[in-house]
Amino acid sequence: DIQMTQSPPSLSASLGDKVTITCQTSQNINKYIAWYQQKPGKAPRLLIGFTSRLVSGIPSRFSGSGSGRDYSFSISNVESEDIASYYCLQYDNSPNTFGAGTKLELK
Amino acid sequence: QVQMKETGPGLVQTTQTLSVTCTVSGFSLTSYGVHWVRQAPGKGLEWMGIIWGDGSTNYNSALKSRLSISRDTSKSQVFLTMNSLQTDDTAVYYCAGDNYYSGGYYVMDAWGQGASVTVSS
Repeated sequence: DIQMTQSPPSLSASLGDKVTITCQTSQNINKYIAWYQQKPGKAPRLLIGFTSRLVSGIPSRFSGSGSGRDYSFSISNVESEDIASYYCLQYDNSPNTFGAGTKLELK
Repeated sequence: QVQMKETGPGLVQTTQTLSVTCTVSGFSLTSYGVHWVRQAPGKGLEWMGIIWGDGSTNYNSALKSRLSISRDTSKSQVFLTMNSLQTDDTAVYYCAGDNYYSGGYYVMDAWGQGASVTVSS
């Protein structure tokens, strides 16, 4: 199974900051990484697929990049509604695997 | 509009078998995959398994010996069955449909609200 190393586990940011989360995989996943946002008590919401493709309706302050084994996800100009947990998911191989998650908090 | 809804028992005894049903609408089970994902209290997301549009399945290696995913296409339902439950199987169980196509593969984009399951002795 492909292992996902997501960091940092938690992040503290001020409104308007740019934050970046990384995921490193145990093998090349050919850009098949997705990023999800989850708020307490809610199901995850897909933000980005195939490394950098923003899902319709998702604000452009969210972005993703990467290739091979190294991927990143960024939020520019953090807003209060972005306070949530974020997860990467590799879907190149089955079984799919999630990263451990990053909890974004307000400083 | 795609909708997924999980129904489960709420409380299960240790060593017993868990059954959770996912009822879907606006989504073809014979065309797209349905995943099961769980989340223990205060923990991250754990991918459990998938039933593909052709009816084949793949499972998380750590759960494979206890887990089964099946479906009834006539009822638009997908079933998760897991035996030999322990207290650390307490979690919210989500079903999610492969509803987003990007870069050549589908990825989970349609989620149910989750079914909370407590395993107690």
